[in-house]
Amino acid sequence: EPEVTQTPSHQVTQMGQEVILRCVPISNHLYFYWYRQILGQKVEFLVSFYNNEISEKSEIFDDQFSVERPDGSNFTLKIRSTKLEDSAMYFCASSEEGPSYEQYFGPGTRLTVT
Amino acid sequence: KNQVEQSPQSLIILEGKNCTLQCNYTVSPFSNLRWYKQDTGRGPVSLTIMTFSENTKSNGRYTATLDADTKQSSLHITASQLSDSASYICEVNTGGFKTIFGAGTRLFVKA
Repeated sequence: EPEVTQTPSHQVTQMGQEVILRCVPISNHLYFYWYRQILGQKVEFLVSFYNNEISEKSEIFDDQFSVERPDGSNFTLKIRSTKLEDSAMYFCASSEEGPSYEQYFGPGTRLTVT
Repeated sequence: KNQVEQSPQSLIILEGKNCTLQCNYTVSPFSNLRWYKQDTGRGPVSLTIMTFSENTKSNGRYTATLDADTKQSSLHITASQLSDSASYICEVNTGGFKTIFGAGTRLFVKA
């Protein structure tokens, strides 16, 4: 069964460093998403991406964040200058069509900022 | 303020028993409501998606209900199994791509 994959599974970085989290969505899906979940807290929507552009973003997704689909398979989330409060699980998801369709989540990347 | 509240916060049941989890929302506008199962350290897995016009939707031993008038949803798990131990998360889509998640109910199924 197709699945969303994410790398790395765990990333440790120092405050102020740039990180890139990588995702490979399900191949025939057209919509891609990033979410984050701070330890013990709710899942939070960050951004959705369709047709090579951001379709919607939350207040969390400020200028420190960017997303890119550099090729036909990868979908990346970049954090330019990490802060301690960026420590969280970051989940990528994809769906075949828009927001009314089922989203498939990846296993997540645990980002630890020290 | 758009909010999704889930109860109880945690629940312990014996294997084979049924349970019902609650989700109340004050989200407007409303597009659809989803229930997810999230195992520890893993991504959420979709269980059901319901739109405004749907009252009940089942997925195996999981049955979700939606009352759009009272803005309440429930997830009923029948004949629980040890593998049902997880967090169950309610998510409400407000239209477009923005969604609001509840804090989840942590379910523990004991042998």
